[in-house]
Amino acid sequence: TQLLEQSPQFLSIQEGENLTVYCNSSSVFSSLQWYRQEPGEGPVLLVTVVTGGEVKKLKRLTFQFGDARKDSSLHITAAQPGDTGLYLCAEAPGYGNKLVFGAGTILRVKS
Amino acid sequence: DTAVSQTPKYLVTQMGNDKSIKCEQNLGHDTMYWYKQDSKKFLKIMFSYNNKELIINETVPNRFSPKSPDKAHLNLHINSLELGDSAVYFCASSQDKGDWTQYFGPGTRLLVL
Repeated sequence: TQLLEQSPQFLSIQEGENLTVYCNSSSVFSSLQWYRQEPGEGPVLLVTVVTGGEVKKLKRLTFQFGDARKDSSLHITAAQPGDTGLYLCAEAPGYGNKLVFGAGTILRVKS
Repeated sequence: DTAVSQTPKYLVTQMGNDKSIKCEQNLGHDTMYWYKQDSKKFLKIMFSYNNKELIINETVPNRFSPKSPDKAHLNLHINSLELGDSAVYFCASSQDKGDWTQYFGPGTRLLVL
């Protein structure tokens, strides 16, 4: 089973700051997903990246998949309190197999 | 309308009791899942059903028994609850077993005393 490492584990910043969180593996990802889980709610899928070097943008969020498909990053520009939550990366392996989640990064944005 | 719903949202019970958690999805999806999120927020799959057929069964104690009466429902029954079962349990669904877009329910917070 592939081990996904996320860093940092916890991040507390002021509103308006930029931040980057990371997801790394020792093996090549088939494809990678990023989820956000708000307090008291279930995870919500933000993006799926498949191709090495791929960059996707979702408003103030920029997702990057490493060229070698062994790492990914999520950059948030001008963070807002509404961005507070747990950010999870997950590998989506072959057809019919299970998602494997990283341990997550807890983000707190203070106003 | 809620896409994936779970009941109850909170469940507090004594060790040794038997309890059930229910899940329903109104998305018309074929595949449903149960996940467990521990106190460190680590999310791990327990079971997956595709059209009422069990397709993923992780290393879970046999005190946990999923049941899918139809493809819109996946319930989780837990016998002889233990302290270590305390966690948040999430139900999720996807269009089919090859679709990685999963929709999660709001979770059931189980506390075993």
